[in-house]
Amino acid sequence: EPEVTQTPSHQVTQMGQEVILRCVPISNHLYFYWYRQILGQKVEFLVSFYNNEISEKSEIFDDQFSVERPDGSNFTLKIRSTKLEDSAMYFCASRDSRSSYGYTFGSGTRLTVV
Amino acid sequence: SQQGEEDPQALSIQEGENATMNCSYKTSINNLQWYRQNSGRGLVHLILIRSNEREKHSGRLRVTLDTSKKSSSLLITASRAADTASYFCATAPNFGNEKLTFGTGTRLTIIP
Repeated sequence: EPEVTQTPSHQVTQMGQEVILRCVPISNHLYFYWYRQILGQKVEFLVSFYNNEISEKSEIFDDQFSVERPDGSNFTLKIRSTKLEDSAMYFCASRDSRSSYGYTFGSGTRLTVV
Repeated sequence: SQQGEEDPQALSIQEGENATMNCSYKTSINNLQWYRQNSGRGLVHLILIRSNEREKHSGRLRVTLDTSKKSSSLLITASRAADTASYFCATAPNFGNEKLTFGTGTRLTIIP
């Protein structure tokens, strides 16, 4: 069964450093998403991406965040200057154009900012 | 309450029993989805029910949707130890890119 692949599975970074979280969505999917889950809390929407541009973003997704689909297969989330409160599990997800089907989520990247 | 609230927050049952989890939401939706999350792992899509559907089955899972009450339930029949996980409902709106709004989750523990 096709999978969404995320790397790394765990990243530890110093506060103020830049991090790039990587995702390979399912190849024939058209819609891509990043969500995050702070430990013990709800899964929260960050951003959606369609047709090579951001289609929607949440209040969390401020100027410190950016997304790219640099080569038609990878989908990256960059955090320019990490803060302690950015520590969370980050999930990438994708779906095809048929709304009858749910998302496919990756297994997540656990980001720890120290 | 917020969009997507599950109850109970935690549920422990004996293996073989049925588990029922409920979800309430506030805004109109296109569909409602249920996901499972094993501790510290990713989200696994279980089942999607559209706003014009009332009930859906998939294996041991049964989902109901009552749009008039803005609520849904997930029933897992004949539970197994491997069903131990957190279960989340997530709603997709009628517009936009179907970004999901997740509930707070129910932590289900199956006692062997």
